[in-house]
Amino acid sequence: DTGVSQDPRHKITKRGQNVTFRCDPISEHNRLYWYRQTLGQGPEFLTYFQNEAQLEKSRLLSDRFSAERPKGSFSTLEIQRTEQGDSAMYLCASSLTSGRAGGTDTQYFGPGTRLTVL
Amino acid sequence: QKEVEQNSGPLSVPEGAIASLNCTYSDRGSQSFFWYRQYSGKSPELIMSIYSNGDKEDGRFTAQLNKASQYVSLLIRDSQPSDSATYLCAVISGYSTLTFGKGTMLLVSP
Repeated sequence: DTGVSQDPRHKITKRGQNVTFRCDPISEHNRLYWYRQTLGQGPEFLTYFQNEAQLEKSRLLSDRFSAERPKGSFSTLEIQRTEQGDSAMYLCASSLTSGRAGGTDTQYFGPGTRLTVL
Repeated sequence: QKEVEQNSGPLSVPEGAIASLNCTYSDRGSQSFFWYRQYSGKSPELIMSIYSNGDKEDGRFTAQLNKASQYVSLLIRDSQPSDSATYLCAVISGYSTLTFGKGTMLLVSP
């Protein structure tokens, strides 16, 4: 059984460039989440999908950010016109939820993609 | 604004001692509570989940939940140097998204 995988693990880019990250969740997990973590802070929620539907987006997710999960399997997170403030660890997590009230929705994290914007 | 508060530490304990990590949360409607461990430069790793008031034990780890006081704790018995890491408390309220605290750094000295 493989866990959540993310690619690339590290990305260095220049300000103004576009970057795209990929996340492959644990197979058969129907929910996929994106978080961002900066030094000394806990992860902050960005967005999540149930199957292919994007159900919630944080106010942190500016219009330069877009996420997709086209077939309900892997997901991509794109950042356009990167800024130095986008430098962070981008974390993907997945969970299997039945959707019933009181469901536990335990989330498992991938290794993250560390983005550095010069 | 949903908040999760943790003492940033570092919390220093000698090898073999009990480490006690604490967390408070603001949303009284919170339903699910998690402790993650994060080594420097790595991603969070799930240690424990707890959903009901009381204690839940798993090996050397015990999570404690008191919803009336909006308080979650993690006890680590027989602490080892390999337990040195940042421990993140996370809460789910309403939607399924996790709200994290900033984490408590634990240092276990040999």
